[in-house]
Amino acid sequence: DSGVTQTPKHLITATGQRVTLRCSPRSGDLSVYWYQQSLDQGLQFLIHYYNGEERAKGNILERFSAQQFPDLHSELNLSSLELGDSALYFCASSVDRRHLDEQFFGPGTRLTVL
Amino acid sequence: GQSLEQPSEVTAVEGAIVQINCTYQTSGFYGLSWYQQHDGGAPTFLSYNALDGLEETGRFSSFLSRSDSYGYLLLQELQMKDSASYFCAVPQDDKIIFGKGTRLHILP
Repeated sequence: DSGVTQTPKHLITATGQRVTLRCSPRSGDLSVYWYQQSLDQGLQFLIHYYNGEERAKGNILERFSAQQFPDLHSELNLSSLELGDSALYFCASSVDRRHLDEQFFGPGTRLTVL
Repeated sequence: GQSLEQPSEVTAVEGAIVQINCTYQTSGFYGLSWYQQHDGGAPTFLSYNALDGLEETGRFSSFLSRSDSYGYLLLQELQMKDSASYFCAVPQDDKIIFGKGTRLHILP
């Protein structure tokens, strides 16, 4: 158990819908990262938040957005969902933005868009 | 551009040694990380090399050559539970770039 929690574990929805994925980092970690992993693909970096502020963006679609709240939990919002958005979404946390060498991953949310 | 190249699959025999290579092209370099991911599971951190040389942690070792933009993960005394995907990754500018992963198959 990494100490990072993600909810829900599974999500099934329809095209055009909007969903919110939630992540709680390890106690004491200030940084939260979001990744997308499609079938047999690597981890695609989406976005990084540090202590409530956006620090870096990857190839995140405009339909996707995220935020980190004062209690440091983070939410990833996916809207106007398409079939191709079906994937595993992981969040990871680290102590601070300098500790890019070790990230602790949550169990992931498996999103299925029908 | 930024890229990490690693073989898509490697097969080895239980009890043997296997090496998974990773070459990288990045603008700016701080170090090379390795993660393990079992099917259906989350990635877990294995090692990080910031300096050239070999880092050993139990049965796993990781090597880095900054001049060659190359690193590898060495797994010794392979066990069936080592069957997984292995990703190299480079932290960069507040984000981390992952390779596409190497699936390790272990034969009994």
